[in-house]
Amino acid sequence: GNSVTQMEGPVTLSEEAFLTINCTYTATGYPSLFWYVQYPGEGLQLLLKATKADDKGSNKGFEATYRKETTSFHLEKGSVQVSDSAVYFCALSEGGRRALTFGSGTRLQVQP
Amino acid sequence: NAGVTQTPKFQVLKTGQSMTLQCAQDMNHNSMYWYRQDPGMGLRLIYYSASEGTTDKGEVPNGYNVSRLNKREFSLRLESAAPSQTSVYFCASRLGQGANEQYFGPGTRLTVT
Repeated sequence: GNSVTQMEGPVTLSEEAFLTINCTYTATGYPSLFWYVQYPGEGLQLLLKATKADDKGSNKGFEATYRKETTSFHLEKGSVQVSDSAVYFCALSEGGRRALTFGSGTRLQVQP
Repeated sequence: NAGVTQTPKFQVLKTGQSMTLQCAQDMNHNSMYWYRQDPGMGLRLIYYSASEGTTDKGEVPNGYNVSRLNKREFSLRLESAAPSQTSVYFCASRLGQGANEQYFGPGTRLTVT
C-alpha cells in the first residue's frame, strides 16, 4: 500500500535560517503530493501541492519539487520566521477516492 | 463562506456512551472525509463519501458509522465509545471532478474515559 515517511522532529531553527524537511513516499501509481501545515489548536491548511513529476509547488516562500526518480517531495524555505512554527505534514493522494495518506508530521520551532 | 465547520470542538465521554460528530461544508464539494489524528501517527482515514448517498470504509472504520445526510453534511457516530477512540477528529471535503486538494475543518477533540 501507499506510505509517506517524514523526518523526525522537532526541528529547532533560529529566525532567518534555511529549512529543509525531508519527505519520501511509496505509491503504486502516480500520486499527487501535498504539504499541509497545522498551527497550534487549528485544523490542517494546504501549503502547497504538485500533481506530476518535476512539478514545483510553492507558497508563502515554501517550495517542494516532485522527484519521481527519488520518490521524494522535500519541503524547503530560504529564511524561516517565528510565525512558521507549526507541524508540517507530507501527504499523497492516489486512486478514485483521493483519500490522503499522511506522514507522521514534523514539528518546527523557530526561535527569535 | 465558512468552509468546513465541525461541532463540537471538545467532548468528554464515558466508556459505552454514544455521540455524533457533525461536519458541514458550504463549498459545494462532492467528496467528504473523516480522519482521526493520534500523536506521532499523522491522520488516518475512517470513512469517505464520494457523493450524497454513498459512503465507504477507510483504514480504521471499526467502532464508527457515518451518514451523508445531504451534499453539505457528513456525520460520524460512535455507538459505544471506547478509550481507544480518544483522538482528534477532522472532517475534510474535496470538490471532486479531478481536483485533488482537500479542505479541513478545525477538528473535534474527543476524550473517552
